[in-house]
Amino acid sequence: NAGVTQTPKFRVLKTGQSMTLLCAQDMNHEYMYWYRQDPGMGLRLIHYSVGEGTTAKGEVPDGYNVSRLKKQNFLLGLESAAPSQTSVYFCASSWDRRTRVNSPLHFGNGTRLTVT
Amino acid sequence: RKEVEQDPGPFNVPEGATVAFNCTYSNSASQSFFWYRQDCRKEPKLLMSVYSSGNEDGRFTAQLNRASQYISLLIRDSKLSDSATYLCVVTVNQGGKLIFGQGTELSVKP
Repeated sequence: NAGVTQTPKFRVLKTGQSMTLLCAQDMNHEYMYWYRQDPGMGLRLIHYSVGEGTTAKGEVPDGYNVSRLKKQNFLLGLESAAPSQTSVYFCASSWDRRTRVNSPLHFGNGTRLTVT
Repeated sequence: RKEVEQDPGPFNVPEGATVAFNCTYSNSASQSFFWYRQDCRKEPKLLMSVYSSGNEDGRFTAQLNRASQYISLLIRDSKLSDSATYLCVVTVNQGGKLIFGQGTELSVKP
């Protein structure tokens, strides 16, 4: 049981390049989230998904796209990276439909992205 | 107004002190509340859920005031190992949109 796994752990991009961050969870959670964290800003919700095939915008969705084609995976895409997207990105999952408990968030270890 | 706001930090306290953090939320439909702890930009980890009647876990006590729309976290007998950033999290519906406060940094000194 690996929990929530994020890849890659580190990445450096040049302005204008694109990339995809992968989040995978093996806890059969319905809900998945992408957050970014910047100094003094706390965690800000980018996009989230309440089930396979569904996505929704969070607090700071601009410049990002997401997909949830499989229940266990939630992908975050940067189409054209900008220096303002330099941040630490965390993926998280929650809500086990089987137990019907509003489970707290389980986080991945984070991805440190630098855009130059 | 931010959806979730926390006391600005940092809090610098001596070992053994009692410290309290507050967190306010703007959406009266919010249903679930949590306190998380984060160390050195690692991933946040659940400290405790916050229940309507208030709850306690060892030296930690969480309270919820729905009328005033705030939650609080009280830490008694602070330890050096309590030094971290404390984040409050609020959900609007079960498992739906979860919003974090900006975090309050605690530094416990010998």
